[in-house]
Amino acid sequence: GQNIDQPTEMTATEGAIVQINCTYQTSGFNGLFWYQQHAGEAPTFLSYNVLDGLEEKGRFSSFLSRSKGYSYLLLKELQMKDSASYLCAVRLQDSNYQLIWGAGTKLIIKP
Amino acid sequence: EAQVTQNPRYLITVTGKKLTVTCSQNMNHEYMSWYRQDPGLGLRQIYYSMNVEVTDKGDVPEGYKVSRKEKRNFPLILESPSPNQTSLYFCASKSGGGHYNEQFFGPGTRLTVL
Repeated sequence: GQNIDQPTEMTATEGAIVQINCTYQTSGFNGLFWYQQHAGEAPTFLSYNVLDGLEEKGRFSSFLSRSKGYSYLLLKELQMKDSASYLCAVRLQDSNYQLIWGAGTKLIIKP
Repeated sequence: EAQVTQNPRYLITVTGKKLTVTCSQNMNHEYMSWYRQDPGLGLRQIYYSMNVEVTDKGDVPEGYKVSRKEKRNFPLILESPSPNQTSLYFCASKSGGGHYNEQFFGPGTRLTVL
């Protein structure tokens, strides 16, 4: 079966740094996505990793280790607007665009 | 403005009353997909379409139908809705070129089946 694990909820302080982990056990792997979803809204794309290593994009960075089945999303200089759920998704096959999604991590930012 | 639209945004209905949720995108995307999102669970794919007249089942297709007669539209049909189909539904689309291209999501349809 396919399995993606993320912490259910995390709390962090405005201005700080937080790391959201995602581990996966899937039958295939062709890339890992991170999406942000504010309450009641649609998910929006943050990052994509297909090779091992760190991808940096402004305040957000994403890391992937394929051998460990592990990724994390790093958010720096946290702002109140970063309060949202963060969804990890794995693309299984090269032949289509099907994604397996984690349940998401709800991030609460406190002043 | 490039976007995915869904209608209706909110719907309360009763068991067995057929309904259709529309989805339209203006980005000329080949790929479209329907998901449902339930508390504590990840997004689960219902159906997807790689292009016009090409559709396939996702992980939870039971009780749903789709069609893709035009590139821009991908309606979701519930022939006989049941309470376990109460959920938040998202339509998404992406360009067929480039496997890393992200999916663009519609605003969601919150469906309640009584």
